[in-house]
Amino acid sequence: NAGVTQTPKFRILKIGQSMTLQCTQDMNHNYMYWYRQDPGMGLKLIYYSVGAGITDKGEVPNGYNVSRSTTEDFPLRLELAAPSQTSVYFCASGAFGAAGTFGAGSRLTVL
Amino acid sequence: AQSVTQLDSQVPVFEEAPVELRCNYSSSVSVYLFWYVQYPNQGLQLLLKYLSGSTLVKGINGFEAEFNKSQTSFHLRKPSVHISDTAEYFCAVSDRGLMGGGTSYGKLTFGQGTILTVHP
Repeated sequence: NAGVTQTPKFRILKIGQSMTLQCTQDMNHNYMYWYRQDPGMGLKLIYYSVGAGITDKGEVPNGYNVSRSTTEDFPLRLELAAPSQTSVYFCASGAFGAAGTFGAGSRLTVL
Repeated sequence: AQSVTQLDSQVPVFEEAPVELRCNYSSSVSVYLFWYVQYPNQGLQLLLKYLSGSTLVKGINGFEAEFNKSQTSFHLRKPSVHISDTAEYFCAVSDRGLMGGGTSYGKLTFGQGTILTVHP
């Protein structure tokens, strides 16, 4: 049982480049989330999805986009990367009202 | 909207001593409450959660937490810590969705984290 799988684990981008962080879950959860973690700030919600084809913004969505074509996958797209997007990104999934299972994280550096 | 305040950014303790990590929250609707642990360079792992029922919640690794609605607190405790408990701990809340008057869909609001360091 793999749970939530994120790729890549590490990535360095140049300012203005774009990339996609991949997230896959095998628990048939309807709810999926993307958080970013910055030192001393806890985790902030970027986007979330309540099912295939349905997504919505969280607290800090600017500079990101998501899609949810299947129950299993919830990729996060960074367009025109900026230094402010240097962070650790976590994907999570869950059933209604539950906390969710977190992936191991993707560390992104934008130079 | 909710907010979470973890009252201590760092807590140093000696091995086998008791520890309490403090968490207060603010919300206009009923909430679910959670504690997570993050070991260095790893993802978050759920320690325990309060959804309903008994206000004393027991979790993994010997941790427990008590929900105090009047004080809007959810402090985490362990009677005797080990070196291996050294990690960062996060308190989080979500509203109870449509049943509780909210619409969170399980979205979590996190505190800033408390770094627990256990010394030999």
